[in-house]
Amino acid sequence: SQKIEQNSEALNIQEGKTATLTCNYTNYSPAYLQWYRQDPGRGPVFLLLIRENEKEKRKERLKVTFDTTLKQSLFHITASQPADSATYLCALSLGGSGTYKYIFGTGTRLKVLA
Amino acid sequence: DTAVSQTPKYLVTQMGNDKSIKCEQNLGHDTMYWYKQDSKKFLKIMFSYNNKELIINETVPNRFSPKSPDKAHLNLHINSLELGDSAVYFCASSQNPSRLVNYGYTFGSGTRLTVV
Repeated sequence: SQKIEQNSEALNIQEGKTATLTCNYTNYSPAYLQWYRQDPGRGPVFLLLIRENEKEKRKERLKVTFDTTLKQSLFHITASQPADSATYLCALSLGGSGTYKYIFGTGTRLKVLA
Repeated sequence: DTAVSQTPKYLVTQMGNDKSIKCEQNLGHDTMYWYKQDSKKFLKIMFSYNNKELIINETVPNRFSPKSPDKAHLNLHINSLELGDSAVYFCASSQNPSRLVNYGYTFGSGTRLTVV
């Protein structure tokens, strides 16, 4: 069955540095991969989506890469700020372009230290 | 204005009871979902309705029954609650798949269910 792995350990980085979070998957080939941010007591908030034929996607200080050979996505936050502290979830599509269904990783908790 | 709103935010109940969680979205989306997030933060899809039609029905005990009276509302009724049902339940909505890829899901803030 499909499996998604994100670093279960929390990631602590110093303000101003680049945070890099990893999402690895096995046993299938998703057409789309999304990243979400989740704050305590809140629902996930959509950040970015990358397609299987895209290598990289950027939005402001965020960058996502998608390596279908390694079956891995990297999520970067440049010039990180304490306000970026949250849990970040990756979600992979199941099915083709018409799919409504995504499966989520368990997330990586990021803490940016001032 | 809250885009996806769920009620109640917290629900504490005894084993064996029946309870409902309500969800409403004002985004004009056609598709709504119920997700369950367990204590390990694993977010798992349970059900999805598109224009009041059930399109995703995961392996969920039949004690859980969704109901969509119209495309802006999706409720979740749970019969005979068990300790293992304790979790955070999230409602979400989205546009059709061609736009889901650009805008993702919009989640509510969750309902924390505790069964004692």
